[in-house]
Parts: sequence; C-alpha cells; structure tokens
Amino acid sequence: DGGITQSPKYLFRKEGQNVTLSCEQNLNHDAMYWYRQDPGQGLRLIYYSQIVNDFQKGDIAEGYSVSREKKESFPLTVTSAQKNPTAFYLCASSISGRGSKNIQYFGAGTRLSVL
Amino acid sequence: AQSVTQPDIHITVSEGASLELRCNYSYGATPYLFWYVQSPGQGLQLLLKYFSGDTLVQGIKGFEAEFKRSQSSFNLRKPSVHWSDAAEYFCAVGLFTGGGNKLTFGTGTQLKVEL
Repeated sequence: DGGITQSPKYLFRKEGQNVTLSCEQNLNHDAMYWYRQDPGQGLRLIYYSQIVNDFQKGDIAEGYSVSREKKESFPLTVTSAQKNPTAFYLCASSISGRGSKNIQYFGAGTRLSVL
Repeated sequence: AQSVTQPDIHITVSEGASLELRCNYSYGATPYLFWYVQSPGQGLQLLLKYFSGDTLVQGIKGFEAEFKRSQSSFNLRKPSVHWSDAAEYFCAVGLFTGGGNKLTFGTGTQLKVEL
C-alpha cells in the first residue's frame, strides 16, 4: 500500500539529548514537510523540502534540523536547543508544482515527550 | 502573510443534526483552500479542497464546503451528522511559492456528537 510511515509512534527525550524522527514515503512524491502540533495551536510548519538535497525553513525551525538524502526519506532531528519539544509531530508529502493535484498527505504522527 | 481563523474551538451537535464549521482566511490572491479531519492520535485526512471553478465543492463522507470570496470564508457543512464524525477539523490555506506549496492551518474545531 502507498503511504507515509512515521516512526516511532511514541518517543521520549532526556535533557540535552538529540532525537530523530523518521518519515518514509512510497508515493513517489518530490515534496516532503514536517509540522508540529500543539493543543489549541493547529499545525505549524517546521521544515519542508521540494527536492532531494534541498530544504527550507518553515515558521518554527529553531531547534530542529533535517536532511533529504533520498527522495523517499525526510528525517527530523529535535536538538537539545529545542527547549520545549513535547508535541505531536506530523510528516506530509505531496507532488511539486502548482495545480489541483498538489495535495499534502499525512503520516500518522510521532508523539514526543520529555522525561 | 496568509492566515486562517476557525472561530469555534468546540462544537457539539446531536446525531442526525446538520453541521456547519466556520473558516475565514486572509490572503491577497485567490487561495487554495482545504479541510482536513483528524481522529485522536492520528494523522490528517483530506476531506475536500478548492482550487478554482465551482465555489461549492463536494468531499468525502458527505461533507461539502462553499467558497465565498466576498466573505473570505470557506465553511464546511454536512446535512446529517453521524457519531463517527466526532473528530477535530482543520481548515488550511495553501500558498504556492518558488520554494513549494506551503499550508497555513487554523487552530482547529473539535466536534462532539451526542447520541
């Protein structure tokens, strides 16, 4: 089945630790996105990538880093610089370019908590 | 910058009653508009989208939405709500930039269905 797989479903971070969230898609999409969701705040864009080896900061990139070495993978690292990492993280993908087929499809999310 | 307002944080309706969820956007050009639904602990599922053309759009699960440019609104409606519709609903506006397709989300409306 085609889709977006996020792992792990639950993740715990200790103080001063970096953690990496995985996002893999087999939809052959060029574009991938990371969002953070907090209660009552909707989704906010962290980073996005339109093509392999290229990515751009979103609205809340501080304390996060990404890489895009393969088309199907877009891992997100939550660094120790992110002082409030507890949230639900959602990965999405889409085709690139304008038009009515440019729809973002979402994974099931990773819930990150601080120990 | 574009923005999305969902004025109702919580809505409760009885099963079988009609539903309207409000969404207002701020954007300088003709927007791409979306409604997504999220069940607890899950990712987002696309209900419907508006890109151009007919201002009344039909979606999955019996939902529809109407784009009203004069009111900057894109309200979601359903004639008869089912208990399984209880979830959180997000309105989003899409901006296509040189860097890709960015979505700005509203803060969401939590729908409760009374049996």
